[in-house]
Amino acid sequence: AQSVTQPDIHITVSEGASLELRCNYSYGATPYLFWYVQSPGQGLQLLLKYFSGDTLVQGIKGFEAEFKRSQSSFNLRKPSVHWSDAAEYFCAVGAGDDKIIFGKGTRLHILP
Amino acid sequence: KAGVTQTPRYLIKTRGQQVTLSCSPISGHRSVSWYQQTPGQGLQFLFEYFSETQRNKGNFPGRFSGRQFSNSRSEMNVSTLELGDSALYLCASSFIAGEVTDTQYFGPGTRLTVL
Repeated sequence: AQSVTQPDIHITVSEGASLELRCNYSYGATPYLFWYVQSPGQGLQLLLKYFSGDTLVQGIKGFEAEFKRSQSSFNLRKPSVHWSDAAEYFCAVGAGDDKIIFGKGTRLHILP
Repeated sequence: KAGVTQTPRYLIKTRGQQVTLSCSPISGHRSVSWYQQTPGQGLQFLFEYFSETQRNKGNFPGRFSGRQFSNSRSEMNVSTLELGDSALYLCASSFIAGEVTDTQYFGPGTRLTVL
């Protein structure tokens, strides 16, 4: 069965520091992968998605993610975080039956 | 273009009651999906509607049901509410159903509290 694991429930980084959020997936075929962000009291906003091609994907708000098939990973990165990046981040995989399976999320805290 | 709207934003019910939540997709979008979000289980897929037909269903009991109207607006209904139904219910719309590659746009959600 398809699954998504986000190993870190909470991550705290200082403003201006670099960020990497981890995501591992389990899926038999070529996955469709997504990263979403959810601010408090808000719905989810798509940051970026990977379907095929270049394994380094650029998204909105300065985020990028790299698909590594050998590691079944799709980690999200940002070179320098801003206080406004504090939110919850969800990795998701598009499953073969057209459903999207979400990870449990990583809550990002930013230190001033 | 207006985003996905969900009404009401907050709802408080008691056990045993039923509730109806509404979702208006982005204009032109014909697919509407519903998700339940809880701290323990995270985001779980409820069902998806396209052209007034349910295309996909998650692993939820029959107390959870939905429908879609000809204008693509969707409602979900939960009957005989249980405490565990307290959650944020998110609606997402997309242009094409059955295409995982099609971007889903989420509404702000309806926060349901069951007392």
